[in-house]
Amino acid sequence: AQSVTQPDIHITVSEGASLELRCNYSYGATPYLFWYVQSPGQGLQLLLKYFSGDTLVQGIKGFEAEFKRSQSSFNLRKPSVHWSDAAEYFCAVGGSDSWGKLQFGAGTQVVVTP
Amino acid sequence: DVKVTQSSRYLVKRTGEKVFLECVQDMDHENMFWYRQDPGLGLRLIYFSYDVKMKEKGDIPEGYSVSREKKERFSLILESASTNQTSMYLCASSFGTGYQPQHFGDGTRLSIL
Repeated sequence: AQSVTQPDIHITVSEGASLELRCNYSYGATPYLFWYVQSPGQGLQLLLKYFSGDTLVQGIKGFEAEFKRSQSSFNLRKPSVHWSDAAEYFCAVGGSDSWGKLQFGAGTQVVVTP
Repeated sequence: DVKVTQSSRYLVKRTGEKVFLECVQDMDHENMFWYRQDPGLGLRLIYFSYDVKMKEKGDIPEGYSVSREKKERFSLILESASTNQTSMYLCASSFGTGYQPQHFGDGTRLSIL
């Protein structure tokens, strides 16, 4: 069965500092991996996705993520955070044998301080 | 701009009631999804639909049913509401070949008393 672990429930980062959110997955075959963001009071927005190919994936809002098969990880990064990046971030995993059925992590809440 | 609209932002119902949550998308998307979101659990898939009148169970379908009579509308039905169904419900959609939910509604916060 597929599963996702986001080890950090809550992260506080200063505006302008770099951000890295961790995501570890468990999946028997080649995974499809996703990051979503949920800003306060809003619906989820897809930040980026990985299906195959280049293991460094660029997304919207200046985010990127790197797929590391050996570590079963798909960490999200941003070089310099803005106050508007304060939100909850969700990692999700799926696969070709489970169309549409993504497993989401529990989420990481990001707080940005001045 | 693309839009997924959930009929209610907040809803309060009583135990045993039959509850309908409505979702409409204006993008002509084939795929629609219903999730529930609970603190510490992330999102869990209840049902999804890849075409009109087609539906597939997700991870937690018990106590729920769905209806998709028209392409743009996907309804979630709580047959007999219980307090453990108090949650945030999110609807999403994606186009035919899109694997993952692409566009989400703002959610319906449902309280069952």
